[in-house]
Amino acid sequence: GENVEQHPSTLSVQEGDSAVIKCTYSDSASNYFPWYKQELGKGPQLIIDIRSNVGEKKDQRIAVTLNKTAKHFSLHITETQPEDSAVYFCAAVRGSSNTGKLIFGQGTTLQVKP
Amino acid sequence: GAVVSQHPSWVICKSGTSVKIECRSLDFQATTMFWYRQFPKQSLMLMATSNEGSKATYEQGVEKDKFLINHASLTLSTLTVTSAHPEDSSFYICSARQEAQYFGPGTRLLVL
Repeated sequence: GENVEQHPSTLSVQEGDSAVIKCTYSDSASNYFPWYKQELGKGPQLIIDIRSNVGEKKDQRIAVTLNKTAKHFSLHITETQPEDSAVYFCAAVRGSSNTGKLIFGQGTTLQVKP
Repeated sequence: GAVVSQHPSWVICKSGTSVKIECRSLDFQATTMFWYRQFPKQSLMLMATSNEGSKATYEQGVEKDKFLINHASLTLSTLTVTSAHPEDSSFYICSARQEAQYFGPGTRLLVL
């Protein structure tokens, strides 16, 4: 089955710097890759997603890139702010987003220092 | 849009009692909902897939008689932890699917 590896497990950056979180997946049939942000004591919040027919997607300060050949995808946050501090999870879905189960990475704790 | 609620947000119960957690999709209909369990500083572990009008599909190792799931309508799924024990204490999170998966705020269960 699908396996998703996420790195790094913790990441500390200065406010204003960029942060990059990387994930690799094992199942070449996976074709939907969402990213979630989870604040302490809350449920995960979908922040951006990408489908396998797209190489890059951007939404303001957040961008995701996908390399299908290498089977990895990354989350890029620019101009980080203290409120970006949270745990970020990547996930992969085999099949369409309407039918497949999410397979999560291990999570990355991002700390943005003021 | 795509708002999912959970109730209660936290619950404390005595060992041996049963606890019901509700998951509602507020602004969309969801034929499929999911229940996850999360331990501190860990990722989400899928427990079961809840399908409206049919039996839930449980992941390997999850006791279906322990964690009863009912998906009686297109906007409501319930998880009942039966005969709860301290080891059932955890953060339980549901999600509902509308193209993407949207998560509820979670329910923290503490079994004494």
